[in-house]
Amino acid sequence: GAVVSQHPSRVICKSGTSVKIECRSLDFQATTMFWYRQFPKQSLMLMATSNEGSKATYEQGVEKDKFLINHASLTLSTLTVTSAHPEDSSFYICSANPGLALETQYFGPGTRLLVL
Amino acid sequence: GQNIDQPTEMTATEGAIVQINCTYQTSGFNGLFWYQQHAGEAPTFLSYNVLDGLEEKGRFSSFLSRSKGYSYLLLKELQMKDSASYLCAYMDSNYQLIWGAGTKLIIKP
Repeated sequence: GAVVSQHPSRVICKSGTSVKIECRSLDFQATTMFWYRQFPKQSLMLMATSNEGSKATYEQGVEKDKFLINHASLTLSTLTVTSAHPEDSSFYICSANPGLALETQYFGPGTRLLVL
Repeated sequence: GQNIDQPTEMTATEGAIVQINCTYQTSGFNGLFWYQQHAGEAPTFLSYNVLDGLEEKGRFSSFLSRSKGYSYLLLKELQMKDSASYLCAYMDSNYQLIWGAGTKLIIKP
């Protein structure tokens, strides 16, 4: 089956620093990748939709300048949390759509971010 | 708005059967998904229904009624490892997934 990886799996950083999270589709090309955030005991919240070679589409309420998304290739999308603050601490999950069937999304294992 | 509801928590006994319901309201619909999520992990795909009826896959089955905006996930022969959150999500007219808050399923011996 399709595999999506994320790196790092866990990161602890100081307030004010920037953190980059990578999402890779390992055995397929992903025309579209999605970035989600999940707070404890809550459901997934879509942050943005990332399309290869074009600008990401952000959901309402998500700051574009704070959460920078780059989808430079068909197998890699990155999310950079700029000037992270404690309230950005969350579980960040990416998913990828191979484009074969619109209903198919494969999730990465997630990245747990803790900002001190 | 994004209207999708499922119970917050359910408890069941090992070896038994449990049904987790999900209701939704949307004008555009492109299928209903069920995902399993263990604590601290990402969701894993369980099922996808786009037509009315029951889809069976081993111990898990999923049902959809589009006219009623209703789906359920049926888990049979429950095992302790089935303790997890179960997320339902529908795909809207823009092919975007709209997620429910998840149902935490607790399995007791």
